[in-house]
Amino acid sequence: EIVMTQSPATLSVSPGERATLSCRASQSVYSNLAWYQQKPGQAPRLLIYGASTRATGFPARFSGSGSGTEFTLTISSLQSEDFAVYYCQQYNNWPPTFGGGTKVEIK
Amino acid sequence: EVQLVESGGGLVQPGRSLRLSCAASGFSFDDYAMHWVRQAPGKGLEWVSGISWNSGSIGYADSVKGRFTISRDNAKNLLYLQMNSLRPEDTALYYCAKGRSTGSLESSDYWGQGTLVTVSS
Repeated sequence: EIVMTQSPATLSVSPGERATLSCRASQSVYSNLAWYQQKPGQAPRLLIYGASTRATGFPARFSGSGSGTEFTLTISSLQSEDFAVYYCQQYNNWPPTFGGGTKVEIK
Repeated sequence: EVQLVESGGGLVQPGRSLRLSCAASGFSFDDYAMHWVRQAPGKGLEWVSGISWNSGSIGYADSVKGRFTISRDNAKNLLYLQMNSLRPEDTALYYCAKGRSTGSLESSDYWGQGTLVTVSS
């Protein structure tokens, strides 16, 4: 199975600053990569699919990039509601696999 | 409005069985693949199983293969997960999630709130 590795595990950022999250696949997943946001006590929400397409309801400060094995989620100016855990998921090969997550916390 | 409501979780002894259900509404259930994803307490997400719109394509994580069975009833808008030979490591919050398309290999755009399964003697 494809192993998804996210870094860093925890990212401490001040409100208004830029956050850059990384996700690496053990083999190419082309653009079949999604990002999810999960807040405490809530179900995950689809944030990005197709590596760069923003899902409904998320503002333009969220952007995804990359293809193949290297992917990035960028939050251009962190707002209070953005502090959460972010997971990447590949859906190119069976089984679809998630990364371990990056927790974005307030600095 | 898309709604996914899971049920059937609870406390069960190791080796026993449990069946989870997911009631879907607010979309054409038979047009989309569906998935089960679990999250152990304090841990990350683990995809468990997925089923295409017509049950023609089904997949399982290696950790549950041979023990869990996914199925769906498109007439009743229901998704199921039959879990047999349960182990303590199956303890988790089990989410039902809607696929973005008919195919079973896709991201998931809507999630339920989950049902908790605890496997313990």
